Amino acid sequence: SQQGEEDPQALSIQEGENATMNCSYKTSINNLQWYRQNSGRGLVHLILIRSNEREKHSGRLRVTLDTSKKSSSLLITASRAADTASYFCATDKRASTYLYNQGGKLIFGQGTELSVKP
Amino acid sequence: DAGVTQSPTHLIKTRGQQVTLRCSPKSGHDTVSWYQQALGQGPQFIFQYYEEEERQRGNFPDRFSGHQFPNYSSELNVNALLLGDSALYLCASSSTGTGSSGANVLTFGAGSRLTVL
Repeated sequence: SQQGEEDPQALSIQEGENATMNCSYKTSINNLQWYRQNSGRGLVHLILIRSNEREKHSGRLRVTLDTSKKSSSLLITASRAADTASYFCATDKRASTYLYNQGGKLIFGQGTELSVKP
Repeated sequence: DAGVTQSPTHLIKTRGQQVTLRCSPKSGHDTVSWYQQALGQGPQFIFQYYEEEERQRGNFPDRFSGHQFPNYSSELNVNALLLGDSALYLCASSSTGTGSSGANVLTFGAGSRLTVL
């Protein structure tokens, strides 16, 4: 089952506008990540925010995390046609271990399909 | 530096057949995870391999099995294919670490699109 629920499912904007996507999840997390996928190809990691962080920036991306509400948002500023893609949030429940990283089990949301029109 | 490579990119099988998908992780990565992505859905975790052993498994039947080789490459096998197995199969690699440091950031391949007729 998928932990993340994303909203909206689809978003269409004009070039230059900002795009905001939201993600809600169900259980406690270690960190939350956002990935981008172009046309059913592989996913590309965009940004990670840890559970003890509230906001993070990377270029035109801004991510917020509210662990009390179990939600996150991804803001893309000054969007471009090349930003057209599907965006997924992914939660990592991994507890750190001494022996080895149990990483890899990211739980993805259903995604937001962003269309940026030139 | 090559990223994650997957083969084949596309394949068509019929119900009841078996399929093997292959993945080479990014250089320097030692952990491989497999995901299934149905059309219009987010990826769903199948399993993860580290040190040639299955370390974690998602909610998938035993028809789905895998293997990791000493060079960290991996295979995903699906037996007795069903129509519902039609999907994009994504391989992702990552690097393990000890202790509490290190984030679990995945590098994905372009996927193998399986169609079951």
